Amino acid sequence: GAGVSQSPSNKVTEKGKDVELRCDPISGHTALYWYRQSLGQGLEFLIYFQGNSAPDKSGLPSDRFSAERTGGSVSTLTIQRTQQEDSAVYLCASSLRFGGGGETQYFGPGTRLLVL
Amino acid sequence: GQQLNQSPQSMFIQEGEDVSMNCTSSSIFNTWLWYKQDPGEGPVLLIALYKAGELTSNGRLTAQFGITRKDSFLNISASIPSDVGIYFCAGQILVQGAQKLVFGQGTRLTINP
Repeated sequence: GAGVSQSPSNKVTEKGKDVELRCDPISGHTALYWYRQSLGQGLEFLIYFQGNSAPDKSGLPSDRFSAERTGGSVSTLTIQRTQQEDSAVYLCASSLRFGGGGETQYFGPGTRLLVL
Repeated sequence: GQQLNQSPQSMFIQEGEDVSMNCTSSSIFNTWLWYKQDPGEGPVLLIALYKAGELTSNGRLTAQFGITRKDSFLNISASIPSDVGIYFCAGQILVQGAQKLVFGQGTRLTINP
């Protein structure tokens, strides 16, 4: 597609439930990133995928968070046993490649998650 | 870890005024990026800077990559209502073989007509 797309755009869930957030990167982009943005805050790095390499999970806040990327394209971020502090906007970004000046990241519109 | 200090946190200006915001860090970055985020949207890339000392313009926007590679500024000239939003700086750094993007806390720009 023309840009990064994310679904759902909004998600309201109850504490303790699991949620899945989806990201479709720009076609041809090999790198994909997930960020979390709390209200009024900057972006917090969560996880990074580059091609078929093992993902960089260094930013995941707890073991309740996981992500996968199937076929080198679509990615799913899963939050298990959601807590109220998980409420935030979850942003996905993709870039053309790793290094060589192709690292510029283009963002999707985000998924707004509210945990009640 | 790497941190970016972005200032000011918020600005309230009159339409037509010029705007200046900056980011500083104790870490060296190999790329500086400036993004704008409108309400309910993801950040949109405004300007990318790849070389120390680089000065780049995009319409009414001008940004510079500091010569020490530890800072950057963004200027907006003759502000208009559609400039309202949150502006983020981001520094890119190589950490353990991976390109990491570190964001500032954002500058919220409000324009009085």
